[in-house]
Amino acid sequence: AQTVTQSQPEMSVQEAETVTLSCTYDTSESDYYLFWYKQPPSRQMILVIRQEAYKQQNATENRFSVNFQKAAKSFSLKISDSQLGDAAMYFCAYRNTNAGKSTFGDGTTLTVKP
Amino acid sequence: DTEVTQTPKHLVMGMTNKKSLKCEQHMGHRAMYWYKQKAKKPPELMFVYSYEKLSINESVPSRFSPECPNSSLLNLHLHALQPEDSALYLCASSRGRGRWTGELFFGEGSRLTVL
Repeated sequence: AQTVTQSQPEMSVQEAETVTLSCTYDTSESDYYLFWYKQPPSRQMILVIRQEAYKQQNATENRFSVNFQKAAKSFSLKISDSQLGDAAMYFCAYRNTNAGKSTFGDGTTLTVKP
Repeated sequence: DTEVTQTPKHLVMGMTNKKSLKCEQHMGHRAMYWYKQKAKKPPELMFVYSYEKLSINESVPSRFSPECPNSSLLNLHLHALQPEDSALYLCASSRGRGRWTGELFFGEGSRLTVL
């Protein structure tokens, strides 16, 4: 069974600075997808960024980028120029290419200090 | 913008009541999901419907009964719930079968309180 581990229950960052959230996973599959989802307090969970395992290039979406290390089974999220609106719980998730379910980590609560 | 719509947003029910949660999406997605989420915890998968057929049931108690009337609608019927069933219930959708089933699109959730 696949597992996803987020070792940082809470993180904080100063506004405009950079923060990195960690995620490791365990799988015997070679083809899969990885995601970071953001869930602000009392608001909808949305996708931040996704990575296909067969792609070596790290995904980037504006201020959000990932460091995908397939051999190490590591998938960290870097948030640059942090903004107050980035404050949320962030979930790392894994999904097989043909599976009907995603596996979520326990989440990291990010606080952004003004 | 919320492309997955859930109603009601809040629901309070007694342990003997029967109620339903509803979810609707118009993105043409063919997979729909129910998740249960406790505070500060990740979502826990309950059910998956793929092409209107129940494809995954994560051993959820029978007091939760899902229904998928068509490809756009997903219901969760609730009966004889327990106080520990109080949680945020999230509906999600994704594209469906094939190599790229895509990410999950979540609704805002229905917050359920069982008295």
